[in-house]
Amino acid sequence: DAGVTQSPTHLIKTRGQQVTLRCSPKSGHDTVSWYQQALGQGPQFIFQYYEEEERQRGNFPDRFSGHQFPNYSSELNVNALLLGDSALYLCASSPDRGYQLSGNTIYFGEGSWLTVV
Amino acid sequence: DAKTTQPPSMDCAEGRAANLPCNHSTISGNEYVYWYRQIHSQGPQYIIHGLKNNETNEMASLIITEDRKSSTLILPHATLRDTAVYYCIVRATGNQFYFGTGTSLTVIP
Repeated sequence: DAGVTQSPTHLIKTRGQQVTLRCSPKSGHDTVSWYQQALGQGPQFIFQYYEEEERQRGNFPDRFSGHQFPNYSSELNVNALLLGDSALYLCASSPDRGYQLSGNTIYFGEGSWLTVV
Repeated sequence: DAKTTQPPSMDCAEGRAANLPCNHSTISGNEYVYWYRQIHSQGPQYIIHGLKNNETNEMASLIITEDRKSSTLILPHATLRDTAVYYCIVRATGNQFYFGTGTSLTVIP
């Protein structure tokens, strides 16, 4: 059983460019969340997708957008990249049946390292 | 905002038990306590979670105080591979985690 998989693992972009990161959730999971982790900080919640809709959103600008596909995989898009967007981007998946019950387990992928130069 | 307070760093001798404390004084009755760890440059790894009873699995034990305002993660026999940042997280309904800065545990040979 594959866990949460993310691609690419590392990438370098230039300021002003756009980037797309991809995530495949763990088998049986239909909810995908994205987190940004700057160096030396804990991960910060960006948004969550369920049934192809954004269900929750953290304190991130509209330059950060996402998408969820019918197979539950997800993409994170960041437009007009800034130097401050350099970070580890983490995808986490969970089953929705846990949404109203907080006792289920959330699994994280290994992340995508984005460097903006 | 993070709802937990953890010491920024701790050391533990290899082979000894590592006891990592966490304060969550504002926890609500339906909020679970989760522990994850993150080894440098990797994604957070799930360790254990609990509501009010003590929990144990193959990785660790979780001791939650009776008033649920604090908890302790116990790694019974720490190894060098347990060196990581450990996050204590209180989670309400929904799947959003609020991470703090965690405890950086160093296991010393």
